[in-house]
Amino acid sequence: QVQLQESGPGLVKPSETLSLTCTVSGGSISSGIYYWSWIRQPAGNGLEWIGRIYASGSTNYNPSLKSRVSISVDTSRNHFSLKLSSVTAADTARYYCARGSEGPSAKFGDAFDIWGQGTVVTVSS
Amino acid sequence: SYELTQPLSVSVALGQTARITCGGSNIGTKNVHWYQQKPGQAPVLVIYRDSNRPSGIPERFSASNSGKTATLTISGAQAGDEADFYCQVWYGNTGVFGGGTKLTVL
Repeated sequence: QVQLQESGPGLVKPSETLSLTCTVSGGSISSGIYYWSWIRQPAGNGLEWIGRIYASGSTNYNPSLKSRVSISVDTSRNHFSLKLSSVTAADTARYYCARGSEGPSAKFGDAFDIWGQGTVVTVSS
Repeated sequence: SYELTQPLSVSVALGQTARITCGGSNIGTKNVHWYQQKPGQAPVLVIYRDSNRPSGIPERFSASNSGKTATLTISGAQAGDEADFYCQVWYGNTGVFGGGTKLTVL
């Protein structure tokens, strides 16, 4: 079955760029009906959607983060990546990658059906 | 922007029925999804497209969506159902989560 695994530095300095990668195993990231999202959760708080990318490279971002976010996909390596620039302590959170799907053949509608375990990123000097 | 409103907490006696609401403008016209998150774990999809259960999710989890409110119902709540629950919709091309509800089974 498809699994997602986040990876990247656990500590980032303020004003620098947070970079994370989500590796997809057990399936192809290029499957047409899927999109790939980043979602974060500060400790003790709720979920915040960051953005998504399709295998084609098309992206959508949360308007509140759009000026600082970039999501890219590498189909040859079966992974997608997140970059968040100019980070502050407010960006400290567990970051999840997740799979969604859409269209008539999407089994779960446009829900996030598969999630990674998440990776904690702390912004601190 | 679009906001989803959930109660911070809901308590239910063991074996009784818990209802968790998710309010939003004309939410009845949107597909609502529900996720369960236990401490230290990633969220798990428990309801998709308003009222559908993925395989492996117990039948005691059900949901509805109409008007301004979507509702997740847990019938015969068990101790293992204690968790945070989140509703989620798409507002155009933006994913939106509710603030989450902590379910306590007494």
